[in-house]
Amino acid sequence: EVQLVESGGGWVQPGGSLRLSCAASGYSFSRYWMSWVRQAPGKGLEWVANIKLDGSEKYYVGSVKGRFTISRDNAKNSLYLQMGSLRAEDTAVYFCARFTSGGALGSYWGQGTLVTVSS
Amino acid sequence: DIQMTQSPSSLSASVGDRVTITCRASQGIRNDLGWYQQKPGKAPQRLIYAASSLQSGVPSRFSGSGSGTDFTLTISSLQPEDFATYYCLQHNTYPWTFGQGTKVEIK
Repeated sequence: EVQLVESGGGWVQPGGSLRLSCAASGYSFSRYWMSWVRQAPGKGLEWVANIKLDGSEKYYVGSVKGRFTISRDNAKNSLYLQMGSLRAEDTAVYFCARFTSGGALGSYWGQGTLVTVSS
Repeated sequence: DIQMTQSPSSLSASVGDRVTITCRASQGIRNDLGWYQQKPGKAPQRLIYAASSLQSGVPSRFSGSGSGTDFTLTISSLQPEDFATYYCLQHNTYPWTFGQGTKVEIK
């Protein structure tokens, strides 16, 4: 059974940093692209970043470029999101999600981890 | 960036109703579109991929159509478990973009 479990969320002050992790199990992690998607409280979904199988390609939404870094450790079956220069508008539940073999997001998502940026 | 304009933002419907939700892309995205259902406090689940292909395990009352810029999600006979929020997602061009969502509520 495919499982994705996020961790690392919490409260941080504006300008601070936080690192999210996503532990994957139940499939061959290194064979799938991975994503981060976020959802601000009471708002819609926003795609944040994608990373290729070996980490050689990374893509970001414009609002996080230069502040967030997506990475992965295939030996540890883990995905990460290093978040810096955090702003109030980064407050959201952050989901990790797995691509399908067809190259899009399917139905394998984690339960999400809440990041709150506030003074 | 490609804008995905989803409508309506909310609707009220009764069990058994036919429901249609639309997404319009600001430029052509071929059929690189998925539809997702999200229930409160849960992660999204994909219903439709490649604009019109039914995800395995999803009831056949859900269907998708469209290509290029105009897309539709149809629920042929609304069931109690279908009350949720629905999103389209284009994955043709980075940055990927979701529609604003459609909340389907009980009339």
